[in-house]
Amino acid sequence: AQTVTQSQPEMSVQEAETVTLSCTYDTSESDYYLFWYKQPPSRQMILVIRQEAYKQQNATENRFSVNFQKAAKSFSLKISDSQLGDAAMYFCAYKSWGSGNTGKLIFGQGTTLQVKP
Amino acid sequence: KAGVTQTPRYLIKTRGQQVTLSCSPISGHRSVSWYQQTPGQGLQFLFEYFSETQRNKGNFPGRFSGRQFSNSRSEMNVSTLELGDSALYLCASSLGGADNEQFFGPGTRLTVL
Repeated sequence: AQTVTQSQPEMSVQEAETVTLSCTYDTSESDYYLFWYKQPPSRQMILVIRQEAYKQQNATENRFSVNFQKAAKSFSLKISDSQLGDAAMYFCAYKSWGSGNTGKLIFGQGTTLQVKP
Repeated sequence: KAGVTQTPRYLIKTRGQQVTLSCSPISGHRSVSWYQQTPGQGLQFLFEYFSETQRNKGNFPGRFSGRQFSNSRSEMNVSTLELGDSALYLCASSLGGADNEQFFGPGTRLTVL
């Protein structure tokens, strides 16, 4: 069974600085998706960034980028130029490639990010 | 396009009762997945429905059930409520393909007394 681990329950960053959130996962599959989701205090979960395992290039979305190390099964999220609106809980998630698992996301325990003005 | 909606947003029940939660997906989306979020267990997958059929199921007891209607709206039901069922229940909708993004609703906060 696949597992996702986020070892940092809480992180803090100064506004405009850079922060990296860690995520490791365990799987025997070779094809899968990895995601970072953001859950602000309002509770609406939104997708921040996704990575397909077959792609060697790290995904980037504006100030958000990932460091995907497939062999090490590591998937960290870097937030550059942190803003107050980035304060939220961040979840790392895994999804199998197969069509039989399209709706099943496996989440890590989450990292609460505090942004200090 | 309207987002995923969930009703009710808050619910208080007592042990032994049953509850039904509703999720309306984004228009055109045929897949609805349900998740339970608790401080202790985190986010756990309950089940997924696609075109009125359960396509995937997590490791929850049979007290947790769901269904999907022809308009893709989905309901989940929890019977014989236990204190441990207190949680935020999230649903997510997608077009249904392996590559399609899931969009989450705001959740229903269930409290069991």
